[in-house]
Amino acid sequence: QKEVEQNSGPLSVPEGAIASLNCTYSDRGSQSFFWYRQYSGKSPELIMFIYSNGDKEDGRFTAQLNKASQYVSLLIRDSQPSDSATYLCAVLSGNTPLVFGKGTRLSVIA
Amino acid sequence: DGGITQSPKYLFRKEGQNVTLSCEQNLNHDAMYWYRQDPGQGLRLIYYSQIVNDFQKGDIAEGYSVSREKKESFPLTVTSAQKNPTAFYLCASSRTAMNTEAFFGQGTRLTVV
Repeated sequence: QKEVEQNSGPLSVPEGAIASLNCTYSDRGSQSFFWYRQYSGKSPELIMFIYSNGDKEDGRFTAQLNKASQYVSLLIRDSQPSDSATYLCAVLSGNTPLVFGKGTRLSVIA
Repeated sequence: DGGITQSPKYLFRKEGQNVTLSCEQNLNHDAMYWYRQDPGQGLRLIYYSQIVNDFQKGDIAEGYSVSREKKESFPLTVTSAQKNPTAFYLCASSRTAMNTEAFFGQGTRLTVV
């Protein structure tokens, strides 16, 4: 059973700080990694994806991947109250659909 | 306006009834998926389809059925055999089967009354 693990939180950070969200996965053959943001009562929205080891930056968001450690993270710089949401890590392996973690709830305090 | 449309947004079902949730996409995506989300839980895969007229069971398919007669449409039926159907149901699609990012509809919240 392929597993994706996230700390459920809540992770509380002050406005303007860096929020660091972490995810580990069990299948060493996983190829693609995604971060979704989900506001309460809404559907998930794709914010980042990463395929290769290293960092990928998009605006205030940076995704980091370390395949040797089976670890992927999302950094949110200059956190805003509007970033308060649940962040879902999802992993793609072989010919199976996305496997999601349970999500980390982020709260940005103004 | 391209996207994935789920309807209805809210649905109430009496015990013992079957209900069908609609999912339509105009993104020309080959693959479509149904996930279920319970409070405090992640998304669990119910069924998925890689191509028209073909679909596979996910991790929690019992009590559900699907069809994929058209590329654009992937309806989900929640049958009376599903013992605990109250949940948030999410439909998603991806450009190709299994190797690209998935995009979600707005979800259907099903409540058994």
